Amino acid sequence: KAGVTQTPRYLIKTRGQQVTLSCSPISGHRSVSWYQQTPGQGLQFLFEYFSETQRNKGNFPGRFSGRQFSNSRSEMNVSTLELGDSALYLCASAGGAGGYTFGSGTRLTVV
Amino acid sequence: LAKTTQPISMDSYEGQEVNITCSHNNIATNDYITWYQQFPSQGPRFIIQGYKTKVTNEVASLFIPADRKSSTLSLPRVSLSDTAVYYCLVDDNNNDMRFGAGTRLTVKP
Repeated sequence: KAGVTQTPRYLIKTRGQQVTLSCSPISGHRSVSWYQQTPGQGLQFLFEYFSETQRNKGNFPGRFSGRQFSNSRSEMNVSTLELGDSALYLCASAGGAGGYTFGSGTRLTVV
Repeated sequence: LAKTTQPISMDSYEGQEVNITCSHNNIATNDYITWYQQFPSQGPRFIIQGYKTKVTNEVASLFIPADRKSSTLSLPRVSLSDTAVYYCLVDDNNNDMRFGAGTRLTVKP
């Protein structure tokens, strides 16, 4: 079966712009989580959605937001981009016990 | 959420068995222990999950003592391709996973 798909794979944006990243979970998985990974901070939990509702949230400013659609696909949005937002953004889906399946990520570069 | 402590890095040689230990003193009754592997510029990959005693799959074994305050990931006969960062997580499968710094394993020829 298809894995977790994240688009786009790479993205370059300018400071002050906003960006939307997309994640399609494994078919049947209703939970989608987002992570930011940087060399200095490691893997940081952003938020988790289940059946279109945000269930858990990490310690990120309000510029970071997300949503989930009825087909479980999820998007995350970052507004007013800062240089420090440059990172690998990872999406993971889960369908119950047994761990998460991660996508390959979106590499965002803010210039 | 239970916090985990792992060694920052480990070195090994091809063909050796590698054991990575994770401490989770505040593990809760409902928490499971899960290990992930991550290669550069890729998402983490699920390796193994357990609750107590021993779990084995085709790639690794997970040893969990009776008090569950620690766990050990065992990789048999590592190869160069096992060079990666290994993360230990404890969570109650309530989908709020917080990753620690992980253990950077380097396998040498």
